[in-house]
Amino acid sequence: QVQLVESGGGLVKPGGSLRLSCAASGFNFNYYFMSWLRQAPGKGLEWVSSMSGTTSYTNYADSVKGRFTISRDNAKNSLYLQMNSLRAEDTAVYYCATAVTFGGVVVRFGHWGQGTLVTVSS
Amino acid sequence: DIQMTQSPSSLSASVGDRVTITCQANHDISNFLNWYQQKPGKAPKLLIYDASNLETGVPPRFSGSGSGTDFTFTISSLQPEDIATYYCQQYDNVRIAFGQGTRLEI
Repeated sequence: QVQLVESGGGLVKPGGSLRLSCAASGFNFNYYFMSWLRQAPGKGLEWVSSMSGTTSYTNYADSVKGRFTISRDNAKNSLYLQMNSLRAEDTAVYYCATAVTFGGVVVRFGHWGQGTLVTVSS
Repeated sequence: DIQMTQSPSSLSASVGDRVTITCQANHDISNFLNWYQQKPGKAPKLLIYDASNLETGVPPRFSGSGSGTDFTFTISSLQPEDIATYYCQQYDNVRIAFGQGTRLEI
């Protein structure tokens, strides 16, 4: 069955960097758009970024554009999120998820990992 | 810009009740609307896609309806395991937006 396991979260100072990883199994990773979403403590869900399976197409929320970079290694069935210039408002649980697409557009999220907590604080 | 207005923000109901949550878009989004359930401490789970289609394995007491700007999510007979926060989600060519969430309590 589909399994997504995030790692790499932790405590980081404002202005610092962190790299999240998501290990995928149970499906043909190469064929799927993948996404990162986040949820600040006690708050709602926010889409962060998406990446195509093989064409290197990427898309970002305005709140993270220019600071975060999504990437993937299909040989390792892994998705990554490089987070730079971190701010207090980036504090959240970060989820990776499989993305269902239609006409190249991400339309919904089918499977989610359990999340990894990122805390940005001095 | 995508804007979703979800209501109510919280709801208290009894086992067996019919529960309804609404989501309103700020422009016509056809049927491009999904619903998720998030139980405390867990990841969200897709329940309904394209406004009214039940995801595989989701009990039929859950349903969705609507098109254009106004959408409704319904639990026909509330069960104890349905305690969760529910989110609507919309998309366009480049952006994805979630509603603010509805916390359902018994």
